[in-house]
Amino acid sequence: QKEVEQNSGPLSVPEGAIASLNCTYSDRGSQSFFWYRQYSGKSPELIMFIYSNGDKEDGRFTAQLNKASQYVSLLIRDSQPSDSATYLCAVMGTGNQFYFGTGTSLTVIP
Amino acid sequence: DVKVTQSSRYLVKRTGEKVFLECVQDMDHENMFWYRQDPGLGLRLIYFSYDVKMKEKGDIPEGYSVSREKKERFSLILESASTNQTSMYLCASSSGGGETQYFGPGTRLLVL
Repeated sequence: QKEVEQNSGPLSVPEGAIASLNCTYSDRGSQSFFWYRQYSGKSPELIMFIYSNGDKEDGRFTAQLNKASQYVSLLIRDSQPSDSATYLCAVMGTGNQFYFGTGTSLTVIP
Repeated sequence: DVKVTQSSRYLVKRTGEKVFLECVQDMDHENMFWYRQDPGLGLRLIYFSYDVKMKEKGDIPEGYSVSREKKERFSLILESASTNQTSMYLCASSSGGGETQYFGPGTRLLVL
């Protein structure tokens, strides 16, 4: 079983819609959770982090964490074509080691 | 702003050559990491370092070595490059303690 699992997609949404990206993790003791965005040919950039159960909002982005279900998600409201990218979920496990998912490819259709 | 720089954006080498990839960070971070990224495989950890002169193997260290002589600099060495080491190489740094990793721009290496 992989430490962090994401659907690879591709996920396509129309412009203005809500994009929902999901991630599950295996280490129940994980404390820190991150979402990165990666444009084609570029390096990952951090867009959100969350440490506590519940929702965390930053502009059009909302991260949701449910530690009991070992589930973290990212919602993108009012999706724009510039949001088209691969989104990586990352989890810091109990040994302070980072684990990355393989990413979900998102395409926002104008 | 955290800045992580890598010595080259693109590199072409021949099989058997020794290859050096350099990474420098300017935020006094203790932790530095080297990953490779391949389509469908995601980010795979090669080596990491929690302190100067300290290194730990990641998930795929075979064929690679690292050097960390100064806190800000972490070098990845391909002792004898092979075609299966053609990949995107990403360096990252973090302050540890649950903080995020910051990535450099990446080096796209082609081994012929």
